Amino acid sequence: ETGVTQSPTHLIKTRGQQVTLRCSSQSGHNTVSWYQQALGQGPQFIFQYYREEENGRGNFPPRFSGLQFPNYSSELNVNALELDDSALYLCASSWGPGDQPQHFGDGTRLSIL
Amino acid sequence: GQNIDQPTEMTATEGAIVQINCTYQTSGFNGLFWYQQHAGEAPTFLSYNVLDGLEEKGRFSSFLSRSKGYSYLLLKELQMKDSASYLCAVSGGYNKLIFGAGTRLAVHP
Repeated sequence: ETGVTQSPTHLIKTRGQQVTLRCSSQSGHNTVSWYQQALGQGPQFIFQYYREEENGRGNFPPRFSGLQFPNYSSELNVNALELDDSALYLCASSWGPGDQPQHFGDGTRLSIL
Repeated sequence: GQNIDQPTEMTATEGAIVQINCTYQTSGFNGLFWYQQHAGEAPTFLSYNVLDGLEEKGRFSSFLSRSKGYSYLLLKELQMKDSASYLCAVSGGYNKLIFGAGTRLAVHP
């Protein structure tokens, strides 16, 4: 068990809706990264937050946005949901933005109908 | 561009040794990670290589050649619980990981 918790575990939405996913980082970790994992694929980097600021972004459109709070927990928001957004969304925390091992939560399975 | 290649599937026998290869071409390289992911679960950290050579950690070892853009994960004394996906990930700096598609390993009795 990594100490990284995500909620909810499963979510069903329809096209055009908006969703917020939540992540509590492991104690002592100040950096949170979000990934999207399609079935049978490796995780794809969405963005990273360090000390409440976005610290790098992958190839995802602006309708994917995030926040990090003073306690280092984080949210991922996705607007105008599309069918292709159906995936497992993983949050990972680490001690600092450098090359530290990332500790993943169990993810949120998002299904778009 | 960013490209990380791993075999899609491998099978092996309990007690045997298996080597999972990973080749990469990325615009930046700060290090290479291996993660294990059981079906329906979170990826868990196995190893990290930043310098060329072999890193050994119990039954698992990982090798890196930066000049060849190549790494492998070696699993010894395979157990049934080692059946999982193994993900190779390159750090392009600031811990932004670029993952391969993963190798599904099935261990048979």
